[in-house]
Amino acid sequence: GAVVSQHPSRVICKSGTSVKIECRSLDFQATTMFWYRQFPKQSLMLMATSNEGSKATYEQGVEKDKFLINHASLTLSTLTVTSAHPEDSSFYICSARLRGPPYNEQFFGPGTRLTVL
Amino acid sequence: AQSVTQLDSQVPVFEEAPVELRCNYSSSVSVYLFWYVQYPNQGLQLLLKYLSGSTLVKGINGFEAEFNKSQTSFHLRKPSVHISDTAEYFCAVSPSGANNLFFGTGTRLTVIP
Repeated sequence: GAVVSQHPSRVICKSGTSVKIECRSLDFQATTMFWYRQFPKQSLMLMATSNEGSKATYEQGVEKDKFLINHASLTLSTLTVTSAHPEDSSFYICSARLRGPPYNEQFFGPGTRLTVL
Repeated sequence: AQSVTQLDSQVPVFEEAPVELRCNYSSSVSVYLFWYVQYPNQGLQLLLKYLSGSTLVKGINGFEAEFNKSQTSFHLRKPSVHISDTAEYFCAVSPSGANNLFFGTGTRLTVIP
């Protein structure tokens, strides 16, 4: 149980285009999902917290208009990278929170490798 | 504020040898502690976690970790590594009752045949 999927796993796009990444919790409902960014050989950096039915909460330094997050249902959150540039190339990982005592565990998706040419 | 330090960015070790990956943290509140493993081009998989109780925690794949409150450490150990253990390992902390996970910079474990 507690499986999180991401689609696509890899995407290559031209500079200036927009790319949408989906994050789904397959066997549980997630009121909260998280989006992380990971640069090569570096740790995960939290970009934003996505709450179902409300606006996402962005971390300091993350451009809201650049990285659009929509949490339309209890099992789906999407991250859209708008007007992508080569510096947006990275590995994007989502996680979904499963409520439960004694704490709310996060389950991670397999990640999406974005390459902007 | 919370922070996590993984002093060793890379750890090479021979197959069947023991290994210890170090993790230290700082926090003004009580925390939960985690170790995750990441294989190439994949997401994170939970190895083990410490929430409360016994300070020695056993996880999957033969790994274990010990919580040391006085030293604010949560080192990961395995008595005999396999080639398949080659991966990136991340230590993380979460303030008790909060959602956020704070990750260390990771340790690349390379098992040498």
